Amino acid sequence: AQSVTQPDIHITVSEGASLELRCNYSYGATPYLFWYVQSPGQGLQLLLKYFSGDTLVQGIKGFEAEFKRSQSSFNLRKPSVHWSDAAEYFCAVGGGIRGNEKLTFGTGTRLTIIP
Amino acid sequence: EPEVTQTPSHQVTQMGQEVILRCVPISNHLYFYWYRQILGQKVEFLVSFYNNEISEKSEIFDDQFSVERPDGSNFTLKIRSTKLEDSAMYFCASSVGYTQYFGPGTRLTVL
Repeated sequence: AQSVTQPDIHITVSEGASLELRCNYSYGATPYLFWYVQSPGQGLQLLLKYFSGDTLVQGIKGFEAEFKRSQSSFNLRKPSVHWSDAAEYFCAVGGGIRGNEKLTFGTGTRLTIIP
Repeated sequence: EPEVTQTPSHQVTQMGQEVILRCVPISNHLYFYWYRQILGQKVEFLVSFYNNEISEKSEIFDDQFSVERPDGSNFTLKIRSTKLEDSAMYFCASSVGYTQYFGPGTRLTVL
């Protein structure tokens, strides 16, 4: 069965500092990997995705993520965080022959930004 | 940019009542999904829908739940007899390929 682990429940970072959110997945075939962000009271916004090819993918809002098959990881990074990045971040894995299978989400990492 | 929309944004109901949550997927998308998120917990898959039938459903999606695409634009989730534990945020999503786009959610409160 597929699963996603986000080991960090809550991370606090100073504004302007770099950020890395960890994600490890378990999936029996080639995974499709996603990061979504959820601001308080809001829906899920897609930050970035990985299907194949270049293992470093760029997303919106200056985020990037690196797929490492050997480590079953897809960590999210940002070189310099802004106060507006405070939110909950979810890693998800999906796939299937047509790529339309359900997404399995991690438990999320809550990001707090301090001045 | 096209978006998935959901109505209502918040629904309060009494235990045992029926509720219908509505979604308008992105117009050229072919696959539709419902997920839920109980407060403080992770997002969980409920059901996927393609070509007017259920593709996959989770163990959460029991006989109390049903989905329907009544016309060319709406996609609905019905809960026949709500329970306290159905209180959650319900998200609709749609996709035309590998990427699922989510709506803003409907917060369901069962009293």
